[in-house]
Amino acid sequence: GAVVSQHPSRVICKSGTSVKIECRSLDFQATTMFWYRQFPKQSLMLMATSNEGSKATYEQGVEKDKFLINHASLTLSTLTVTSAHPEDSSFYICSARFENGVAGGSYEQYFGPGTRLTVT
Amino acid sequence: GDSVTQMEGPVTLSEEAFLTINCTYTATGYPSLFWYVQYPGEGLQLLLKATKADDKGSNKGFEATYRKETTSFHLEKGSVQVSDSAVYFCALSRRTPGRRALTFGSGTRLQVQP
Repeated sequence: GAVVSQHPSRVICKSGTSVKIECRSLDFQATTMFWYRQFPKQSLMLMATSNEGSKATYEQGVEKDKFLINHASLTLSTLTVTSAHPEDSSFYICSARFENGVAGGSYEQYFGPGTRLTVT
Repeated sequence: GDSVTQMEGPVTLSEEAFLTINCTYTATGYPSLFWYVQYPGEGLQLLLKATKADDKGSNKGFEATYRKETTSFHLEKGSVQVSDSAVYFCALSRRTPGRRALTFGSGTRLQVQP
């Protein structure tokens, strides 16, 4: 099956520093990747949609200058949390959409294991 | 806009009990429907899916049927195990290409006791 990896799985950083999280589709190409944020015991909230070769599309309320997204290739998207603060501590999850090329296909998404960010 | 409504948890069951987690949706057109599972400390995993009305998705003893007339996709399992303890998310996705991601329900935590 399709596999999506994230690195790192856990990161602790000091307030004011920046952190980069990588999301890779290991065995398929993903023109679209998504970044979610999950607070404890809550559902996933979409932050942005990352399209290869173009600027990311951010959801309302998400600061694009704080959460920098780069989709450099069909298998890699990165999320950089700039000038991190304790309130940015969260579980960040990426997914890659598998477009199977079949008309009316399900456009299934595969999720990475997530990155737990703790800002001290 | 699209939305997914799930029953609130936590749901606590004894091993071998019957499970139902309700899910209803609101969407235009004909979305694909999914159930994802998140085990403690792990990311989301696709449990099952259905892409058109009356389709039944099934996996690991779990089943859900795409009911367009009731806009529902309830998750069922005949006999739960302790290892099924997790958070279950119902989700939908539009079938047409676009930038929208999955729309998730709020999640339902299942706790199965020995």
